[in-house]
Amino acid sequence: EVHLVESGGGLVKPGGSLRLSCEGSGFTFRNAWMSWVRQAPGKGLEWVGRIKSKFDGGTADYAVPVKGRFTISRDDSKNMVYLQMNSLRTEDTAVYYCAKMSSSFFDYWGQGTLVTVSP
Amino acid sequence: SYVLTQPPSVSVAPGKTARITCEGNNIGSKNVHWYQQKSGQAPVLVIHYDSDRPSGIPERFSGSKSGDAATLTLSRVEVGDEADYYCQVWDSTSDHYVFGTGTKVTVL
Repeated sequence: EVHLVESGGGLVKPGGSLRLSCEGSGFTFRNAWMSWVRQAPGKGLEWVGRIKSKFDGGTADYAVPVKGRFTISRDDSKNMVYLQMNSLRTEDTAVYYCAKMSSSFFDYWGQGTLVTVSP
Repeated sequence: SYVLTQPPSVSVAPGKTARITCEGNNIGSKNVHWYQQKSGQAPVLVIHYDSDRPSGIPERFSGSKSGDAATLTLSRVEVGDEADYYCQVWDSTSDHYVFGTGTKVTVL
């Protein structure tokens, strides 16, 4: 059974940094493309970024609102994917979900971790 | 950037049929996927590639596409189907993933 567990959320001041982690199990992690998706309070889903498997190049791509501030990385030896968030803004406040990808969709999701950016 | 538009809300009586539309430019050329998100929970994939159901998803959930709109149909609606529903596509121009605006389904 596939499991994704996020951690690392919390309260941070504007301009601060936070690193989220996601541990995957129940699938061949090194072969999976992984994404982060966020949801601001009371709002819809927003794709944040994706990292390809190392076999497919291991590169990451980002949504426009976070490009240059957020970085996705992976450690296949630990079945982990990370989201490093710098220069955080109040509008980054959201629940952040880690999601396993299958082709062009998200087939499994973690339970999410809340990030609150507030003075 | 690519935009997917959904109606904000749909209301349906138990046992009836609910249809949720997802409109986007040239959506006919894209694969559309659908997610169900119940209150306080993570999203769950209910339809992929326009009309395919993942294992474990009831046959009451079906998807279709015609013209510039995709549709998620919930047949014989149950109280437990009350949730937010999102469509999603991959935009090949930007190589980014786009979600629809979301539809809240209320079972009366």
